[in-house]
Amino acid sequence: QKEVEQDPGPLSVPEGAIVSLNCTYSNSAFQYFMWYRQYSRKGPELLMYTYSSGNKEDGRFTAQVDKSSKYISLFIRDSQPSDSATYLCAMRGDSSYKLIFGSGTRLLVRP
Amino acid sequence: EPEVTQTPSHQVTQMGQEVILRCVPISNHLYFYWYRQILGQKVEFLVSFYNNEISEKSEIFDDQFSVERPDGSNFTLKIRSTKLEDSAMYFCASSEGQSGEKLFFGSGTQLSVL
Repeated sequence: QKEVEQDPGPLSVPEGAIVSLNCTYSNSAFQYFMWYRQYSRKGPELLMYTYSSGNKEDGRFTAQVDKSSKYISLFIRDSQPSDSATYLCAMRGDSSYKLIFGSGTRLLVRP
Repeated sequence: EPEVTQTPSHQVTQMGQEVILRCVPISNHLYFYWYRQILGQKVEFLVSFYNNEISEKSEIFDDQFSVERPDGSNFTLKIRSTKLEDSAMYFCASSEGQSGEKLFFGSGTQLSVL
């Protein structure tokens, strides 16, 4: 089983739709969970950071972590064409500085 | 807004040559990292660096690789003898706190080994 799994997509939605992006993981030691947005040939840009379980909201973005299910989600409300990018989940445990990334989900928001 | 800057944006080299990739982390950050992304693959960890020494490295980071903080602002990754399989986008990242959970990435250096 891969350490972090993420559906590569592409996911195509109309403008204004609610987008749901997800990752599953196998390592119960992971405590820090992040979502990054990556435009083509650019560096990952930090969107959301969550420690342990729970929800976090920032503007149109909501991150959820369910450690019992080893499942994390990112919701984007009122999606815009400018949200079109690849979304990467990343996570790590307490005892390591190494971030483990998912393979990324490519999102296309159609005008 | 402060950002991590990387130079050059593109680097083409011949197999067996040495390359140095350069990064200027965010000024008040204390932890520095290199990641790489081979085309079409995941972003993968290479090395973390704190207090002028390597704090963690991956199995990819073998003896061909080294990192250095030569002054108060720069952070470099050196590949001594490049191989074809070193072709990738190399990202520098930095973080402020001890936990290092909020990593900020640069725009990357695309390394092409011919």
